[in-house]
Amino acid sequence: TQLLEQSPQFLSIQEGENLTVYCNSSSVFSSLQWYRQEPGEGPVLLVTVVTGGEVKKLKRLTFQFGDARKDSSLHITAAQPGDTGLYLCAGAFLFYGSSNTGKLIFGQGTTLQVKP
Amino acid sequence: NAGVTQTPKFQVLKTGQSMTLQCAQDMNHNSMYWYRQDPGMGLRLIYYSASEGTTDKGEVPNGYNVSRLNKREFSLRLESAAPSQTSVYFCASSRDRANSPLHFGNGTRLTVT
Repeated sequence: TQLLEQSPQFLSIQEGENLTVYCNSSSVFSSLQWYRQEPGEGPVLLVTVVTGGEVKKLKRLTFQFGDARKDSSLHITAAQPGDTGLYLCAGAFLFYGSSNTGKLIFGQGTTLQVKP
Repeated sequence: NAGVTQTPKFQVLKTGQSMTLQCAQDMNHNSMYWYRQDPGMGLRLIYYSASEGTTDKGEVPNGYNVSRLNKREFSLRLESAAPSQTSVYFCASSRDRANSPLHFGNGTRLTVT
């Protein structure tokens, strides 16, 4: 059972289109991070959201944290070929059992391909 | 600006062989982690070390051991490699646990035949 469900798993779009990636759980997060990974490299942090309802913008990327802190979304406006990569959400759980509290758990990832 | 350095970058093992993956960070971070990445599974936590001298199991610890040698170094050992351990392994570090951002190395691609 995946604790963090990320969707869609694959996305292939044309340059200039908009897209949204979702990250959902039945558990409450103390914070949620979004990473981007390029082939042959490790993931690199894009943003951390901490407060329920929080919205953060990074150029054409908009990140939202759900009011109940159980879900998050990443919206990309006017996607560019340079946005191509693997996007990963990662949640730090508040109440996921005593042995896992505080650990960072990753979703399956969304592979985005933006065609020119 | 080395950040997190992992060695080796690539490794091929036969079933039953052992090896150690090395990881070092130069950011004076307290916490270090080992993840494995498999297609469609995201990153799964193998072991982590919240601070020097402590280690704890993650989601998929079976078949692995770790050593936090000092504040900088955190190694991952496979005592008897199995084909199911074919994966890309990432080491990461963070200032504190969980809520701090992770800084990743560039990974070790391991194939077990």
